[in-house]
Amino acid sequence: SAVISQKPSRDICQRGTSLTIQCQVDSQVTMMFWYRQQPGQSLTLIATANQGSEATYESGFVIDKFPISRPNLTFSTLTVSNMSPEDSSIYLCSVDGDYGYTFGSGTRLTVV
Amino acid sequence: KNEVEQSPQNLTAQEGEFITINCSYSVGISALHWLQQHPGGGIVSLFMLSSGKKKHGRLIATINIQEKHSSLHITASHPRDSAVYICAAPRERGGTSYGKLTFGQGTILTVHP
Repeated sequence: SAVISQKPSRDICQRGTSLTIQCQVDSQVTMMFWYRQQPGQSLTLIATANQGSEATYESGFVIDKFPISRPNLTFSTLTVSNMSPEDSSIYLCSVDGDYGYTFGSGTRLTVV
Repeated sequence: KNEVEQSPQNLTAQEGEFITINCSYSVGISALHWLQQHPGGGIVSLFMLSSGKKKHGRLIATINIQEKHSSLHITASHPRDSAVYICAAPRERGGTSYGKLTFGQGTILTVHP
């Protein structure tokens, strides 16, 4: 199965700033998924990132708040913009490969 | 009602006990996933199964597609099994998965020595 390197693993950020999370996959994949897990909650899909086109956002998530880049088939970034304490969550990327889903190690974000 | 529901939400066991976590889903799916999330947040895929039973070490996963129910069993549980276990179903249209997962709420398992 694919191997994903996700960075950073954790960060503490000031409100009003932005943080960019990176995911690097060791193989080419068509779709990458970005999830958010708020404290005590299950994972919620933010958006699906396809190479060469704009990401598709789920209800409740907008591009201005969570811009996504997908410059090639092995890399994607998610930016959490103009952060507030409510953005404190774990953010994960995922890919759907031939052998099932692979997840990044997660980014634990705390906004103060 | 959530499309994917797990029970129990919290589970405490003594080392060596046999553990069962249940997952019921209300959507038609072709496969179900069991995932393990450790305190750091990272998620590991344990099983993807579409019928019958799969076994990996002390972990066993079963699924009954007709009853829309799956179980994850852990035999001879150990403190290192303490984690959150999540079942997830792919969202499907017309029998074709388009790659997004719907997650259960997770079961927090704590195994005491």
